[in-house]
Amino acid sequence: GESVGLHLPTLSVQEGDNSIINCAYSNSASDYFIWYKQESGKGPQFIIDIRSNMDKRQGQRVTVLLNKTVKHLSLQIAATQPGDSAVYFCAEKRPGNQFYFGTGTSLTVIP
Amino acid sequence: EAQVTQNPRYLITVTGKKLTVTCSQNMNHEYMSWYRQDPGLGLRQIYYSMNVEVTDKGDVPEGYKVSRKEKRNFPLILESPSPNQTSLYFCASTSVHRGFYEQYFGPGTRLTVT
Repeated sequence: GESVGLHLPTLSVQEGDNSIINCAYSNSASDYFIWYKQESGKGPQFIIDIRSNMDKRQGQRVTVLLNKTVKHLSLQIAATQPGDSAVYFCAEKRPGNQFYFGTGTSLTVIP
Repeated sequence: EAQVTQNPRYLITVTGKKLTVTCSQNMNHEYMSWYRQDPGLGLRQIYYSMNVEVTDKGDVPEGYKVSRKEKRNFPLILESPSPNQTSLYFCASTSVHRGFYEQYFGPGTRLTVT
């Protein structure tokens, strides 16, 4: 069946560098996408979202890019900090208000 | 403080013994969901509810029931738990505004079925 996937299960970056986490989705009917951060022992935390009629959306230190042509989503974190170490999930909303999550990328920030 | 609460946080039970995990939100959201999280599989939506008395199946509804009798509560019911329902469960409450969905997750309930 269709599923949201991630290119890399783990990512290590130096503190202060920019991080890019990628996500591929396969359902062209998905109209909304979200990035979540999950720290150990906690529930997922909303980071940023984007609708399918947008290409880019920026938040505080984070940017989400959407490329519908290749069904690709990315999360960019500027000036990565140790507190950014966590598992990051992308999720897509398909028609009918149902959400599908990727399997996650573990980000480790090296001081 | 806006929050989603779940109880219990940890539960060990035996096969076939009915259980209920409660979920409550204080944000007056209409949309609530239940997810399970398993290693290597990410989060999978079990059931969701767009409003009181309105519930829909998610990706993995088999073996679960839900009810939405009031806006703030969305309990998850396992009528006859089985070991394959051992998992980490999250309730989420979602704000829907102009096509944007902001989900707030509870702290999780770790369920073990022996």
